[in-house]
Amino acid sequence: SAVISQKPSRDICQRGTSLTIQCQVDSQVTMMFWYRQQPGQSLTLIATANQGSEATYESGFVIDKFPISRPNLTFSTLTVSNMSPEDSSIYLCSVRPARDTEAFFGQGTRLTVV
Amino acid sequence: TQLLEQSPQFLSIQEGENLTVYCNSSSVFSSLQWYRQEPGEGPVLLVTVVTGGEVKKLKRLTFQFGDARKDSSLHITAAQPGDTGLYLCAGATNAGKSTFGDGTTLTVKP
Repeated sequence: SAVISQKPSRDICQRGTSLTIQCQVDSQVTMMFWYRQQPGQSLTLIATANQGSEATYESGFVIDKFPISRPNLTFSTLTVSNMSPEDSSIYLCSVRPARDTEAFFGQGTRLTVV
Repeated sequence: TQLLEQSPQFLSIQEGENLTVYCNSSSVFSSLQWYRQEPGEGPVLLVTVVTGGEVKKLKRLTFQFGDARKDSSLHITAAQPGDTGLYLCAGATNAGKSTFGDGTTLTVKP
């Protein structure tokens, strides 16, 4: 398994501003992902964070809105840019220690945009 | 796109009752995970099933993976209020990404 620390755990932000969420893992992991979970709903994959290169985004998500960094095998950041109330959601970091292992999740960041 | 359909979406039962949650797909997954999520927390892994026909038990929870590795079920015996939460199935692809079902919100009333 992997222990994932996600910061901040929650934030209330003004529209038009940006928030960067950090994800720190206690061990090196092969794969890191960012998900969004809107209230009462399931998880939607935003992107795969690739070490040393640009993230791979899913349909409906773009780099300008959700820039992602992954400088090494234990750390990644997700920025939610130019926020609007529609961005209010829970953002979750997930890791897969190796390609054929289970995915583990951080506790999430609850974002409210006002 | 691989989709997972989960049913029922909502389930409210009395303590002591049994229940089954279903997760179905038209696609084959290399493995399937079940997670439980409580408010304010991330999903917590309950089990992984890999082999078609596999059955795994975790105390009062029984998980089955279909023979064709396209569907799975979660059965809870004698549900307790502590079982309340959002149950999610997730299919893993060879690319390492997970596709999640819509989730089942379970409420167990004392």
